[in-house]
Amino acid sequence: GAGVSQSPRYKVAKRGQDVALRCDPISGHVSLFWYQQALGQGPEFLTYFQNEAQLDKSGLPSDRFFAERPEGSVSTLKIQRTQQEDSAVYLCASSLIQNQPQHFGDGTRLSIL
Amino acid sequence: DAKTTQPNSMESNEEEPVHLPCNHSTISGTDYIHWYRQLPSQGPEYVIHGLTSNVNNRMASLAIAEDRKSSTLILHRATLRDAAVYYCNIISNFGNEKLTFGTGTRLTIIP
Repeated sequence: GAGVSQSPRYKVAKRGQDVALRCDPISGHVSLFWYQQALGQGPEFLTYFQNEAQLDKSGLPSDRFFAERPEGSVSTLKIQRTQQEDSAVYLCASSLIQNQPQHFGDGTRLSIL
Repeated sequence: DAKTTQPNSMESNEEEPVHLPCNHSTISGTDYIHWYRQLPSQGPEYVIHGLTSNVNNRMASLAIAEDRKSSTLILHRATLRDAAVYYCNIISNFGNEKLTFGTGTRLTIIP
């Protein structure tokens, strides 16, 4: 379908490894968001792009987290030197323009051993 | 960002209407009210949104109090597929539109 696609669906990594999570938003959507969802909790905002510009990264928990969207479409969330507390589901969402509904992918479940 | 308060859980019988409340007493005049729901192992799904007037779509209705300090999501005839966690969000008309989910209401549908 034409929804938001995230890959991989599941990722297992050893503590200290770097990981990269990919998000393919709906074609033509200007806004892109990353959220982190811990088990049993609601999603929490990480960062926001408008086209290729990262306008808000206030939710990134540390400087180990880095996101990019170089051409204004696909986005990558990178986590360096992973730690056990990074284990969560990482959700990506896109919206057409400001204040329109956000369309979510099914997330990447990251497990750090 | 305006804070929302929702009951942790609710139950409803299948094929009956469900009213899911949300309090947002600190909402400002230009903030939108958005509802999402999340089924197990899936990302959140948009349900409905509104500003001042009540809204209807194929999924649900949104009733907004006159003072806008509370709203109610109405599922007119609940089915088993409506069992999910429902989140009420307040989004500023200015700024980056990020969603602040809270813990939501876990809706259980009884067959």
